[in-house]
Amino acid sequence: AQSVTQLGSHVSVSEGALVLLRCNYSSSVPPYLFWYVQYPNQGLQLLLKYTTGATLVKGINGFEAEFKKSETSFHLTKPSAHMSDAAEYFCAVIKYSSASKIIFGSGTRLSIRP
Amino acid sequence: DVKVTQSSRYLVKRTGEKVFLECVQDMDHENMFWYRQDPGLGLRLIYFSYDVKMKEKGDIPEGYSVSREKKERFSLILESASTNQTSMYLCASSLRGSGRGEQYFGPGTRLTVT
Repeated sequence: AQSVTQLGSHVSVSEGALVLLRCNYSSSVPPYLFWYVQYPNQGLQLLLKYTTGATLVKGINGFEAEFKKSETSFHLTKPSAHMSDAAEYFCAVIKYSSASKIIFGSGTRLSIRP
Repeated sequence: DVKVTQSSRYLVKRTGEKVFLECVQDMDHENMFWYRQDPGLGLRLIYFSYDVKMKEKGDIPEGYSVSREKKERFSLILESASTNQTSMYLCASSLRGSGRGEQYFGPGTRLTVT
């Protein structure tokens, strides 16, 4: 069965510092992986996704993630944090038994210190 | 742009009341979803619909029912609201098979049951 683990429910970084949000997945077949972002009082929106091909995926707002099969990881990074990046971030994996369903991680709240 | 709208942003109901949450999408998506979001638990799927009048239970369907009479509209029903159903409810939609699962979310309804 597919599952997703996000390490750290809350991450705080200084403005301009590197952002690293960790995600590990378990899947018996090659996964399709997603990062979603939820800004305060809003729904989720897709940040980036990995399906096949290049393992380094670029998303919106300067974020990127790298699929590492050997480590079963899909960590999200951004070189320089901005105050507007404060939000909750969810890693997710497709449920292969039903391709329309997504399994979400528990979320990581990112805070940015001035 | 895909737009998913939800009938209310905030709702307060009393224990035992019947509650209707409405969701409408304007992009002709086949799939629609209802999730609840609770701190530390991420998003949990309540029900899923892949076509008009078709529905499938998610991970936590107890205490909920759904209705999909038209393709664009998906309703979540709490037959007899209880305090443990106080939560944020998110609706989402997706194209069948497209993008391997990318979902578009509404802004959410924060329901309080007193």
